[in-house]
Amino acid sequence: NAGVTQTPKFQVLKTGQSMTLQCAQDMNHNSMYWYRQDPGMGLRLIYYSASEGTTDKGEVPNGYNVSRLNKREFSLRLESAAPSQTSVYFCASNFLGGKKFFGPGTRLTVL
Amino acid sequence: AQSVSQHNHHVILSEAASLELGCNYSYGGTVNLFWYVQYPGQHLQLLLKYFSGDPLVKGIKGFEAEFIKSKFSFNLRKPSVQWSDTAEYFCAVVDGSGNTGKLIFGQGTTLQVKP
Repeated sequence: NAGVTQTPKFQVLKTGQSMTLQCAQDMNHNSMYWYRQDPGMGLRLIYYSASEGTTDKGEVPNGYNVSRLNKREFSLRLESAAPSQTSVYFCASNFLGGKKFFGPGTRLTVL
Repeated sequence: AQSVSQHNHHVILSEAASLELGCNYSYGGTVNLFWYVQYPGQHLQLLLKYFSGDPLVKGIKGFEAEFIKSKFSFNLRKPSVQWSDTAEYFCAVVDGSGNTGKLIFGQGTTLQVKP
């Protein structure tokens, strides 16, 4: 039982490049989330998926897209990376109302 | 929309000192409140949570938090900190109706415990 896994752990991009952050959970959770963590800002919700087949915007969705590929997987895509997207990205999942489990994070640097 | 404020951004304590980290949320009604901890190099872990019932909640590693509805607060406490408590602490509240489980986090408090 791996919990929530994220790939890659680290990534460096140039401005304008695209990439997809992958997240998977093996706990049969309905809901999945993408957060970014910035110093002094705490965690901010980018997008979430309450259940398979649905996605919704969070606090800071601009510049990102998501795909809930199936119940297990929830990917986050940066179509044209910008330096402002330099951050640590966390994926999380839970049953509705239940304890959230977080992935180990992806540290992204955009030059 | 709901928001969360953590008043202490950086706290430095000596071992065995008592800890209290402040957390306030913006509006009332039914709230679900959480404290998470992130140890250096690790990912977020749940310390404790409050959904209803006894407003004094006990969590892991000797931490507790008190929900005071009249003050919109959910402060984290520990009577005697250890060096291993050095970490970043996040208060969080479920936004909206709770149907989606969206968590709104505070800015975080960095705790440094000196041996």
